[in-house]
Amino acid sequence: AQKVTQAQTEISVVEKEDVTLDCVYETRDTTYYLFWYKQPPSGELVFLIRRNSFDEQNEISGRYSWNFQKSTSSFNFTITASQVVDSAVYFCALSEAEDYGQNFVFGPGTRLSVLP
Amino acid sequence: DAGVTQSPTHLIKTRGQHVTLRCSPISGHKSVSWYQQVLGQGPQFIFQYYEKEERGRGNFPDRFSARQFPNYSSELNVNALLLGDSALYLCASSLAKAYNSPLHFGNGTRLTVT
Repeated sequence: AQKVTQAQTEISVVEKEDVTLDCVYETRDTTYYLFWYKQPPSGELVFLIRRNSFDEQNEISGRYSWNFQKSTSSFNFTITASQVVDSAVYFCALSEAEDYGQNFVFGPGTRLSVLP
Repeated sequence: DAGVTQSPTHLIKTRGQHVTLRCSPISGHKSVSWYQQVLGQGPQFIFQYYEKEERGRGNFPDRFSARQFPNYSSELNVNALLLGDSALYLCASSLAKAYNSPLHFGNGTRLTVT
C-alpha cells in the first residue's frame, strides 16, 4: 500500500502567485520523520526540510513554509510569491523509526511549473 | 566540498547484460543508499550500506546487489538486465545511518536497457 500520497500530479501557476503542494502519509509508527525534496531538471534531489512526528510547529524559511498536521496525516508545502526558478518536481517522503535504517518512502511527486 | 558524485552519467545496455554503477559520498558521510526512479515516479529504495555492511534492502530481485568499500564509496550491480530496469539510479549519502538523517543525493545515472 502506498504510504505517501501527493494527489496533485501537475500544477501550473503564474509567477508571484502562491502555491501549496499537498502531501498525505500513512503510518502505524508513532515515531517518524517527514521530508520534502525538490528535483529540478538536472535530476538531483535537493533536501528542503525535515519534520519529526512530535513537532507540529509550522515552519517558515524565506518564501517556503510547511504545515504539519498529525490529525489529518498531512505535511503540506507552500511557496509564496512563486518564481520561475521554483519550477521542479517536488517529493514528500516518509521515514519510519521501526524500519531498520533509512528506507525513505517517497510520494509520486508534484510537477510545479511557474510561468513568467 | 564536493557533493555526492555518480558515474557514469548515462549508460545504454542490452537486455541480459550486466551493469555496475558507482557512487562517492560526501566527505565524512559513512552511509550510502541507492534508489531507483522510474520516469514519472518517486524514487524507490534499493539498498542502504553503513560501514560496509548492508543495513536495508528494498523489494528488488536478487539480480540487484551492492557493496561499500573502506573509503565509503559504493557500487550497485545489476545482472541479467531487463527492459524494466531502465531508470534513473540515484545514490544518496548521509552523515548518520538512522531514519532521521537527511539523504543527500547525487545527479544519478540514467540507465537505458534496449
